[in-house]
Amino acid sequence: EAGVAQSPRYKIIEKRQSVAFWCNPISGHATLYWYQQILGQGPKLLIQFQNNGVVDDSQLPKDRFSAERLKGVDSTLKIQPAKLEDSAVYLCASSTQGPDKTFFGQGTRLTVV
Amino acid sequence: AQSVTQPDIHITVSEGASLELRCNYSYGATPYLFWYVQSPGQGLQLLLKYFSGDTLVQGIKGFEAEFKRSQSSFNLRKPSVHWSDAAEYFCAVVPPLGGYQKVTFGTGTKLQVIP
Repeated sequence: EAGVAQSPRYKIIEKRQSVAFWCNPISGHATLYWYQQILGQGPKLLIQFQNNGVVDDSQLPKDRFSAERLKGVDSTLKIQPAKLEDSAVYLCASSTQGPDKTFFGQGTRLTVV
Repeated sequence: AQSVTQPDIHITVSEGASLELRCNYSYGATPYLFWYVQSPGQGLQLLLKYFSGDTLVQGIKGFEAEFKRSQSSFNLRKPSVHWSDAAEYFCAVVPPLGGYQKVTFGTGTKLQVIP
C-alpha cells in the first residue's frame, strides 16, 4: 500500500514570499490532516478535513495560511506571506476508521529566511 | 486544560540498557493513548496504542507501554535499547468521546544511544 505522499521535501523562501505544499493521502482515506512541527516541539494540528469539508481549523492562522482539499483527495496548504516563525516541518496525514489508522507523510521542511 | 506532557526533552542511554520514556496526560476522561517514533528525515510511525483493557500493551520493535490511571501516565519502555532506536518519541492522545478524533502530541523526547 502506498503511503502518504508530500512534496516538495524541502523549501527555502524569503520572508513575505508565498509557498505551497502538496499532499496525496492514502487511497480511500476520508480524513486528511495538516500538522506544523516546529523544531523541538511536537506536531500541532493546523487543519483537518473530512472528505473535502473542514472539520477543525481552529489553530490555522487564517490571515496567512489557507488549505483546500479538492474532490476529497489531494490537498494543498499555502502560506502567504511567510514569516520567519513559519519555519517548520509541515506534515500531512490521512486516516480511516479510527485514530490508530492515521498514517503520516515524511513532511516538507520549510525554511524562511 | 487538556494536555499531554513529556517531562524529558532529551535522554541518553547506553546500547543494551533499559529505557523508560515518561508521558502524563490531563483529560477529563481517559483518552486513547499512543506512542509514535520519528527517525531523522522520516515520518511519524505508530509504535503502540492503548484504548482499553490490559494496561500493559505491546508494540512494534520490542517496545511496550503501561497505562496507569491513578498516575495519568502512559510510559514507554524497552528492556534493551539498540543503536537504531535513536530517534524522537512522541506521546499522543485522542479524546475518547466522539468528534473527529484529533491527535494531540506531546513535545517529544529525543533519545540518544551511545555505544
